[in-house]
Amino acid sequence: DVKVTQSSRYLVKRTGEKVFLECVQDMDHENMFWYRQDPGLGLRLIYFSYDVKMKEKGDIPEGYSVSREKKERFSLILESASTNQTSMYLCASTPGPNSNQPQHFGDGTRLSIL
Amino acid sequence: DQQVKQNSPSLSVQEGRISILNCDYTNSMFDYFLWYKKYPAEGPTFLISISSIKDKNEDGRFTVFLNKSAKHLSLHIVPSQPGDSAVYFCAASAGGSQGNLIFGKGTKLSVKP
Repeated sequence: DVKVTQSSRYLVKRTGEKVFLECVQDMDHENMFWYRQDPGLGLRLIYFSYDVKMKEKGDIPEGYSVSREKKERFSLILESASTNQTSMYLCASTPGPNSNQPQHFGDGTRLSIL
Repeated sequence: DQQVKQNSPSLSVQEGRISILNCDYTNSMFDYFLWYKKYPAEGPTFLISISSIKDKNEDGRFTVFLNKSAKHLSLHIVPSQPGDSAVYFCAASAGGSQGNLIFGKGTKLSVKP
């Protein structure tokens, strides 16, 4: 069974801090994704990666960056946290080409920026 | 510009009855559609999917219907159970099952005993 693990379930940080959200998957998946979920807005894609050291901007990349140094780990970085980045952050992964497995999500990190 | 729309923010259904959740899309390049279920404080859980070459896919109590000409899909849950109470997200991809997903805003389903 696919396991996507997000390092923290709840996180509280201060405005201006640099924040790291970690995501690890244990199924050797090539594709990894970061979303944020806000009430009334659904899930919105921040960044994604189809391979190690590869990253692509999603729909709302402003204020974020990512790192994928190893295949199993995809990190989301808030360079200078702001209150409008308070949200639920969700990581997902899929195997890659020649697979029909859908995106599998972690349990999310609820981040509060004070 | 919303490419995937779930126009009903909420739906209330009696236990044992049918729940019908609707989703409309605008991008004719979408070729793969999914439904996810989400409980509070948990990540979305994949429920069922359908490729654009089909018009129906069934898995137990869950059936997804796709009407390409109307750019509309729906999720039917029969019979509905209280444990089905959750937020349901419709999602679409233009790159098959491995492509980026565009999500709707979700519909909160409440199944009353």
